[in-house]
Amino acid sequence: DTAVSQTPKYLVTQMGNDKSIKCEQNLGHDTMYWYKQDSKKFLKIMFSYNNKELIINETVPNRFSPKSPDKAHLNLHINSLELGDSAVYFCASSQRAGGWETQYFGPGTRLLVL
Amino acid sequence: GENVEQHPSTLSVQEGDSAVIKCTYSDSASNYFPWYKQELGKGPQLIIDIRSNVGEKKDQRIAVTLNKTAKHFSLHITETQPEDSAVYFCAASLGGFQKLVFGTGTRLLVSP
Repeated sequence: DTAVSQTPKYLVTQMGNDKSIKCEQNLGHDTMYWYKQDSKKFLKIMFSYNNKELIINETVPNRFSPKSPDKAHLNLHINSLELGDSAVYFCASSQRAGGWETQYFGPGTRLLVL
Repeated sequence: GENVEQHPSTLSVQEGDSAVIKCTYSDSASNYFPWYKQELGKGPQLIIDIRSNVGEKKDQRIAVTLNKTAKHFSLHITETQPEDSAVYFCAASLGGFQKLVFGTGTRLLVSP
């Protein structure tokens, strides 16, 4: 009964490849997020969608493209992977949009670019 | 600009001691302050939160205090146990924006 799930859990790939990470939430929430956590554990928001509409788009290379086919899903596609993309990527969701809303995180996808 | 500072970066205590982690924020419009616990290999989990109309909140062994005038808030864990060992993150809502800004994390180690 995982609330926020991500696949895959681990992803090892070569530089230059294209990869996708998937996220699903079964909490009935309207809003979903992608965060990047680097090797120093810094958590930084990348994107947020509310009811399938992009509402937050931080300074992220345009090689990263989120897609929300419906409220319960938010996927992240990364083109032309670079070494610096190696990190843990977390999906999260909240009932509604707004910084005052409680966010629930998924287990993370550990991406290693060789 | 958006900034949340968190101290200390690492904290080692003996089982049974108390642990205190402090955060300061820069946006006076911030009104929501959650704390997350991240265990090894897992995602951050909300452990307690506080809103700006409240000065203190308690849940069993954990408590959070908020000083809006000074723009700082703290997490207090009493009677620490080895299972409290984890990385703890504070966060603050960014006034007028739909996002949270996270602190840099505190690695807490509780030794038996």
